[in-house]
Formats: sequence, C-alpha cells, structure tokens
Amino acid sequence: EVLLVESGGGVIRAGGSVRLSCTASGFTFGDYGFSWVRQVPGKGLEWVSAISWNGGSATYADSIKGRFTISRDNAKNSLYLQMNSLRGGDTALYFCARGLMVRGAPMAHWGQGTLVTVSS
Amino acid sequence: EIQMTQSPSTLSASVGDRVTVTCRASQSIRNWLAWYQQKRGEAPKLLIYEASTLQREVPSRFSGSGSGTEFTLTISGLQPDDFAIYYCQQYYSSSYTFGQGTNLEIK
Repeated sequence: EVLLVESGGGVIRAGGSVRLSCTASGFTFGDYGFSWVRQVPGKGLEWVSAISWNGGSATYADSIKGRFTISRDNAKNSLYLQMNSLRGGDTALYFCARGLMVRGAPMAHWGQGTLVTVSS
Repeated sequence: EIQMTQSPSTLSASVGDRVTVTCRASQSIRNWLAWYQQKRGEAPKLLIYEASTLQREVPSRFSGSGSGTEFTLTISGLQPDDFAIYYCQQYYSSSYTFGQGTNLEIK
C-alpha cells in the first residue's frame, strides 16, 4: 500500500522558516516524481512545487519562487520542502503527492497533509 | 502561468443525474489535463489523466474528454458518494495549475 506521511507543520512567526518532510512507503521511491500542494481550509487547491524522479528538475509556483526549495533523499524515501521568509498567505494545509510516473503530476497518491500556520 | 477556469463553480444535481463540468485553459495544453475529486476533510483523489484516461479503480460512470483548451468531466448516473468538489489541473507546463474547483451538491 502506498503511504505518504507529512510532518513538520506548526505555528511559525512571519518571516520565519520551517522544513516540511514527507516520508513514503509501499513503493520504490526513486521511480516517481513528487509535488507539494497546499490548501487554505475551505478554499481550493494550489500547486506549490514539484521535483522529478531523480531530483534533476524542480519547479515552483510564482507565488513562492525564491522562498521555498523542494528536495528529496531517495535513500531515505523522503521528500522535503524548505520554506523561508514565511508570510500570512502561506498559512495552509500542505499535501505531499506522488506523481503517476517520473514527473510530479498527475498526482496519483496523496498524504493527509500537515498544517502550517504563519502568525504575525 | 497557464490559467485554468472551471464552470460552473457550483452544480446542484440529484442522484441518477448526468452532469458535466467544464475546464478551460488560457492556452493550449494538448491533453495534459487531470481531474480530481475531493471530499470534505480528505485528500484529493485522481480520477482522470491525459484528459480521458480513467485512473485505476475509478468507476466507469466518470469520463473525460477534450484537448487543446477546452475539457469536460462527465458523471453519468450520479451516486450519493459523488457529491464532492472537483478540480481540473494542467501539467503541460512546468507550473501545474489547478482550476478553482466545482462544488457538486445535492439538489
């Protein structure tokens, strides 16, 4: 069974940093691309970032470009999102999602999310 | 970034109805479009990819069509479990944008 478990969320001060992690199991981690997607409670989905199967390609939404960095450690079956210079608009539930194949989309499997709250 | 626009934003229907949701892209995305279903309190679920390919274990009452800039998701014979929010997403460009969502509610 494919399992994705996010962690690292919490309450962070505006201007601060946090690193989200996503630990995967139930499949060969290095064969797939991944994405981070966020959702403000009660609102729609916003794609944040994606990384290819080998980490060779990383892409970002304009809204977070230059502040967030996606990375992966295939030896640890783990995906990360380093979030810097956090703003109130970054408050959301952050989902880790596995691509259907080597790219980060379409997203065939999702975690349950980790909540990031940016306080002023 | 490619903009994705869904219509309608809200759709009221009854069990057994056939419903259609439309998604338009601001430029051609060929057939690089996916549809997701999200129920309250749950993660999204992939329904369709490459505009018309049904993901494994998704019921055949769901279907997708379109290419270029206009796409549709059709549900034939609505079931109680289908009342949820539906999102389209393009993955043609390296920035994978979602539509704003369509809330399918019980009439």
